[in-house]
Amino acid sequence: GENVEQHPSTLSVQEGDSAVIKCTYSDSASNYFPWYKQELGKRPQLIIDIRSNVGEKKDQRIAVTLNKTAKHFSLHITETQPEDSAVYFCAAKDTGNQFYFGTGTSLTVIP
Amino acid sequence: KAGVTQTPRYLIKTRGQQVTLSCSPISGHRSVSWYQQTPGQGLQFLFEYFSETQRNKGNFPGRFSGRQFSNSRSEMNVSTLELGDSALYLCASSSTLSTDTQYFGPGTRLTVL
Repeated sequence: GENVEQHPSTLSVQEGDSAVIKCTYSDSASNYFPWYKQELGKRPQLIIDIRSNVGEKKDQRIAVTLNKTAKHFSLHITETQPEDSAVYFCAAKDTGNQFYFGTGTSLTVIP
Repeated sequence: KAGVTQTPRYLIKTRGQQVTLSCSPISGHRSVSWYQQTPGQGLQFLFEYFSETQRNKGNFPGRFSGRQFSNSRSEMNVSTLELGDSALYLCASSSTLSTDTQYFGPGTRLTVL
């Protein structure tokens, strides 16, 4: 089955700096890669996603890149703000419609 | 539309007991997935139901079971609770038009003593 690894597990950045979180996956047939943000005590919320036929997608300060050959994808947050502090999860969906999640990255933005 | 709801929000049980958790998906969504979330483990997939049928199942023991009703509401049951079952249980629903996008409920925090 699919295996998703996520790094780093914790990340601290100064406000205004960029943050990058990386994930790798093992199943080359996986075709959909969402990123979720989970604030303390809240439910995970989808913030951006990318499909296997696209290399990059951007939404304001958030971008995701996908390298199918290397089987890794990354979340990029620019101009970080304190409200970006949360746990971020990557996931991969296989052809059987099952999602596999990374173990999460706790991002702290220091004002 | 109302979001995904889960009841109860908190539960405290003792080892050996059983528990039933409920999930009501977004109106019109027919797919409901369940996840177990523990610190350091992320979200681990339990099972997915679609139109009352289990479509996918994760690697959890048979003590974990679920079902879906004709109105798409879903329940999951854990029998013979163990201390290691303490976790946040999340359900997520998705529509048939966009099966990729999952909308999560607030979760049920289960504590096993």
